[in-house]
Parts: sequence; structure tokens; C-alpha cells
Amino acid sequence: AQSVSQHNHHVILSEAASLELGCNYSYGGTVNLFWYVQYPGQHLQLLLKYFSGDPLVKGIKGFEAEFIKSKFSFNLRKPSVQWSDTAEYFCAMGSSNTGKLIFGQGTTLQVKP
Amino acid sequence: DTGVSQDPRHKITKRGQNVTFRCDPISEHNRLYWYRQTLGQGPEFLTYFQNEAQLEKSRLLSDRFSAERPKGSFSTLEIQRTEQGDSAMYLCASSPGLAGDSETQYFGPGTRLLVL
Repeated sequence: AQSVSQHNHHVILSEAASLELGCNYSYGGTVNLFWYVQYPGQHLQLLLKYFSGDPLVKGIKGFEAEFIKSKFSFNLRKPSVQWSDTAEYFCAMGSSNTGKLIFGQGTTLQVKP
Repeated sequence: DTGVSQDPRHKITKRGQNVTFRCDPISEHNRLYWYRQTLGQGPEFLTYFQNEAQLEKSRLLSDRFSAERPKGSFSTLEIQRTEQGDSAMYLCASSPGLAGDSETQYFGPGTRLLVL
């Protein structure tokens, strides 16, 4: 069955610390991978996406993610977090055959000033 | 372009009542999706439309749920005989539905439903 797992449910960091959020997916075919962010009181926004090509993708606000096919992973990284990065982060997978997205359960990031 | 809009933003209803939510997608987006999100979980897919055709429905969408997109523009999601377990955030998303970027979905603010 298709699934997405986010192993870190709640992460607390100090400003300027580096961030890495784990995401693993389960699917045998071609996948599109996404990271969405939800800031407090706001709706889901696309952070970055991977469809094909360079496995290292860059998104908004200094975020990047690396697709490692052999590990079925798509981890999100940022070298130096800011207080404004406090939000909930969702990894999602979409197959090329269907329109739907399958989301992980999310990671709450709290950045202390 | 004002993004995906949903109405109402909040709905409180009593068990057994019917509720209807509306979603207006980004103009000229061909695909429209509905998801449900409960506290502490990621969104779960319910159904999606390509223009006015409903192409896939999740098993989460019981026969009390019905969705329409009559003219290929806005969509409605109706829940009949609501139950307390229906309490959740209902999210709508749209995507261009064109080759190359068909899978990038843009989300609305959601409708938060509370069933008493």
C-alpha cells in the first residue's frame, strides 16, 4: 500500500540551528514528492516539489530537499532556521497515475528565538 | 488570482443535520480535490474532479458524503446525517491539470466542521 512516514513528530530548535526532517514513502512506481508548510493560522503552502531530474531540489525560504530513490526518502533541510519557520511541515506523495496526494502525519517545528 | 477559496470557514452543527461546503478553485484549474484533516494528522484524500467528472473517490467517502462540480468550476461537498466523527477540517485544493505540472496542488483555507 502507498504510504508516507514522517518520523519526527515534534522538533524544537534554537534559531540558527540546522534542520533536517525525515520523510520516507512506500510505492513501487514513479512518484512526485512534495513538502507543504502550514504556518499558524494559515493554509497549506507548497514549499518545494520533486518530479524528476536533479534529486536535490530547492524551495522557498532557503529550504531544500533531497530525493534518494534507493532509500525511498525525501528529507527536508535548512542550514539555519529562523523563528518565523515555526510551523507544521507535511511531506506528501503523488503518483503519476492518480491525482491524489498521500500525506505524512506532519512534523511540528518550534523554533525558539 | 485570489487562490482557492472555501466557504464557510467554520461550521457548527448538531448531529443528524446536513451540511454543505463550497470550494472555488483557482481560475482555469481543471482539477479539484477534497481532503479531510483531523487533529494531529495529515490531510486524507476524499475525492477529485477533472473538470466536471468525478474520477476517484476514497473509501473514506461513505454514502453520506456527496461531491459535485456541475460546471467544472466551483465544487460542493455535502455531508448528510452528520455524525460526531465527521468533525474535521475539510480542505479543497486545485491544480492546473496540464501536462508537466498537473500534480502541484494549491490548497484553500479549509472549512472547520464541528458536529455536536
